[in-house]
Amino acid sequence: GESVGLHLPTLSVQEGDNSIINCAYSNSASDYFIWYKQESGKGPQFIIDIRSNMDKRQGQRVTVLLNKTVKHLSLQIAATQPGDSAVYFCAENMTGFQKLVFGTGTRLLVSP
Amino acid sequence: DAGVTQSPTHLIKTRGQQVTLRCSPKSGHDTVSWYQQALGQGPQFIFQYYEEEERQRGNFPDRFSGHQFPNYSSELNVNALLLGDSALYLCASSFRTSGLGETQYFGPGTRLLVL
Repeated sequence: GESVGLHLPTLSVQEGDNSIINCAYSNSASDYFIWYKQESGKGPQFIIDIRSNMDKRQGQRVTVLLNKTVKHLSLQIAATQPGDSAVYFCAENMTGFQKLVFGTGTRLLVSP
Repeated sequence: DAGVTQSPTHLIKTRGQQVTLRCSPKSGHDTVSWYQQALGQGPQFIFQYYEEEERQRGNFPDRFSGHQFPNYSSELNVNALLLGDSALYLCASSFRTSGLGETQYFGPGTRLLVL
């Protein structure tokens, strides 16, 4: 497959560890946030989302935290597995505007 | 339940040519957005189509145009191709809700190489 990101920030973890991926978003008026996972040669895959009226949302093995004060978003992955290796993007959206604005991405490498 | 599909998967063109990329949205979705993803970067919004009309456009020149058909599928056309148009072109579909952010689901993309 083709490499999605050649010079992205990289987080290297061991299998079974918990991973935390951070994202700073740009628009204080954004009210909807999404995390996507992108594997090499594939399109972004939806992981979890959160709206601005929430601080935390949990899914299966994933948790998203939102801090609107400092415009910060994080994705926590519990018991990270080799299949979690990918590039992770946060995206923001503002109600009434159709476009998603993506962050720069973080490459997660999980070692067995 | 079929997800978002795109065709072709890969395409090679030369400068000055024109290209058409195609997208079929996820079942039940009525809105299609197009994004360009350069190598090593996040996707950049090109435009979005709903009810066969362009609803919002990103910072892309008029060489980029699109269309949505009554069955909600969509095409992206790029005229007068430049080397810098080489990228992964992503289609995302969603169901339009009133006033709230819409979850967009992406297809696998079309890799365009301009020589």
